[in-house]
Amino acid sequence: KAGVTQTPRYLIKTRGQQVTLSCSPISGHRSVSWYQQTPGQGLQFLFEYFSETQRNKGNFPGRFSGRQFSNSRSEMNVSTLELGDSALYLCASSLGNTGELFFGEGSRLTVL
Amino acid sequence: AQKITQTQPGMFVQEKEAVTLDCTYDTSDPSYGLFWYKQPSSGEMIFLIYQGSYDQQNATEGRYSLNFQKARKSANLVISASQLGDSAMYFCAMREGWGSGGGADGLTFGKGTHLIIQP
Repeated sequence: KAGVTQTPRYLIKTRGQQVTLSCSPISGHRSVSWYQQTPGQGLQFLFEYFSETQRNKGNFPGRFSGRQFSNSRSEMNVSTLELGDSALYLCASSLGNTGELFFGEGSRLTVL
Repeated sequence: AQKITQTQPGMFVQEKEAVTLDCTYDTSDPSYGLFWYKQPSSGEMIFLIYQGSYDQQNATEGRYSLNFQKARKSANLVISASQLGDSAMYFCAMREGWGSGGGADGLTFGKGTHLIIQP
């Protein structure tokens, strides 16, 4: 059974640009959530989607957005990139709100 | 106040010894789930074990067990017979509203413990 797949694995952007990250969940999983990991702030919840609906959003500015498609694949977008957005972005999928989360390997974003 | 506290930033342990990683949590929600994840240097978060707040018995998964002390709000991870491959960051996490139809706020993670197993 394939795990959670995130693309791209690594990317470098400059300040002011935007970026889109993609996540394909485990087959059959309808919930996808996103987390940001930085050395200073640790792991922080970004948002969670279930059946194409955003269920909740963490404490991040509006520059961070996401969506989920009918096949449960999800994308997150960060606009007007700042240096502080450099981080490992982790996607996780689960069966629903009572299932453990299974994480992908992450997308490592560097903003110059 | 921090919801998840891991007081051990780093630990060195001899191979084959048992390891206890500490985790305390803070919540007023009677329904919650507690999780432990392992993060090797590759970055992927690997699910290890979970405990629901209403579970009567401590969770076990192979060499991993969770020492759940609800009154003390403690959920320590115990790794028996440690191996070199256990070297990684370990994160304790909580999801409030677990199993009650809620839980839509995502996981709250602790700062992690860097475990190094020495031969």
